[in-house]
Amino acid sequence: EVQLVQSGAEVKKPGESLRISCKGSGYSFTSYWISWVRQMPGKGLEWMGRIDPSDSYTNYSPSFQGHVTISADKSISTAYLQWSSLKASDTAMYYCARTHIVVVTAHWYFDLWGRGTLVTVSS
Amino acid sequence: DIQMTQSPSSLSASVGDRVTITCQASQDISNYLNWYQQKPGKAPKLLIYDASNLETGVPSRFSGSGSGTDFTFTISSLQPEDIATYYCQQYDNLPQVTFGQGTRLEIK
Repeated sequence: EVQLVQSGAEVKKPGESLRISCKGSGYSFTSYWISWVRQMPGKGLEWMGRIDPSDSYTNYSPSFQGHVTISADKSISTAYLQWSSLKASDTAMYYCARTHIVVVTAHWYFDLWGRGTLVTVSS
Repeated sequence: DIQMTQSPSSLSASVGDRVTITCQASQDISNYLNWYQQKPGKAPKLLIYDASNLETGVPSRFSGSGSGTDFTFTISSLQPEDIATYYCQQYDNLPQVTFGQGTRLEIK
């Protein structure tokens, strides 16, 4: 089965570090980018950035650049999203999404989503 | 930054109605526009890509159109299972990737 399996919910304190994961299966992990999308409670979707697992090249939304790090380990088909110092405002659901790219036309879209990882940051 | 203005923010319609949602970009994005459906408590799901292409397995009552700055998403005959929030998303110029604010669709 083609799927993205995300790590479980996390409860952290402000200032703590965190890494959440997204494991792809049933497809060639290096043939698609992985994007991360934030959804704050009751709010809309925000694209955070993406990684190409084949070479670990990343792009970040200006809103998230410097606040999070996206990485990947292609040997285990897993992408990561990490924080070095969490804030209460990082409380949100985080989705990973497989990003299908059509190189010839430069079109791309999120065609497969994980179920999300809920991160709660509270003292 | 490219801004996406999606309207309406909420919509109430009856089963069988034709439903239309619009998304306007602040500058020309060609057809670099996708549409997603998010049901309560679930992850988003791709419905339409490249403004007008129906994703495999998505019912044909869903459709999209437009190019440049103005885009439309249509449900030709609303079904009870279509209750969700719908988002447009543009990706004209990495890293500028933005979603619309979302349209919450309810059954009247």
